[in-house]
Amino acid sequence: GNSVTQMEGPVTLSEEAFLTINCTYTATGYPSLFWYVQYPGEGLQLLLKATKADDKGSNKGFEATYRKETTSFHLEKGSVQVSDSAVYFCALSDQGAGSYQLTFGKGTKLSVIP
Amino acid sequence: NAGVTQTPKFQVLKTGQSMTLQCAQDMNHEYMSWYRQDPGMGLRLIHYSVGAGITDQGEVPNGYNVSRSTTEDFPLRLLSAAPSQTSVYFCASSSLQGRTDYGYTFGSGTRLTVV
Repeated sequence: GNSVTQMEGPVTLSEEAFLTINCTYTATGYPSLFWYVQYPGEGLQLLLKATKADDKGSNKGFEATYRKETTSFHLEKGSVQVSDSAVYFCALSDQGAGSYQLTFGKGTKLSVIP
Repeated sequence: NAGVTQTPKFQVLKTGQSMTLQCAQDMNHEYMSWYRQDPGMGLRLIHYSVGAGITDQGEVPNGYNVSRSTTEDFPLRLLSAAPSQTSVYFCASSSLQGRTDYGYTFGSGTRLTVV
C-alpha cells in the first residue's frame, strides 16, 4: 500500500533561517505529491504540488522537487518568517484509475521565533 | 465564497449520543471524503464518495455512517458516540479528473469532544 513518512517535529527556527522538512513515500503506482499547510485553528490548505518525476512545485517561497529515484519530496524555504508557523503535511494521491485517497504523513509542526 | 463548508465547528457529546456532522461544497466536485485528525496520527480517511449514491469505506470507518444523496452534501453520522471518537473532523472534496493536478479542498473542521 501507499505510505508517507515525514520527519518528526516539532521544528523551531529563528526568523530568516533555512527550512527543510523531509518527506519520503512508498507508492505502488505513479503518485502526485502534495504539501499542505495547516495554520492554528484552521483546515488544511494546499501549499504546492508536483505530478510527475523531476517536477518542482513552488508557492510563497516554498519549494519541493519530486525525486522518483529517492522517492522523496522534501519541502524547503530559504528564509522563514514568523507567519510560516504552522503544521505541514506531505501527502500523495495515486493517479491510478479508481484510486482517490489522499495518504498523509503525520505532520511536522514548525515554530518560527523572532 | 466557493469552498467546503462544515458545521458545526465545535460539538460536545455524551457517550452514546448520536449526531450528524454536515459537509457541503459548491464546486460541483464528484469526490468527497471525511478525515479525522488525531495528535501524532496525521489524517486518517473515514469514508469517501465518488458521486451521488456511491460511498465506500476508508481506513477507519467503524462507528461512522455516510450517505451521498446529492453532489453537494456528504454528512457523517455518529450512531453512538464513544470517547475514542473525540477528534477533529475534516471534510475534503475534489473533482475526479483534477484531483492529481489541483489537490483537494478542505473544510475548516469540526472539533468533537465525547465525554
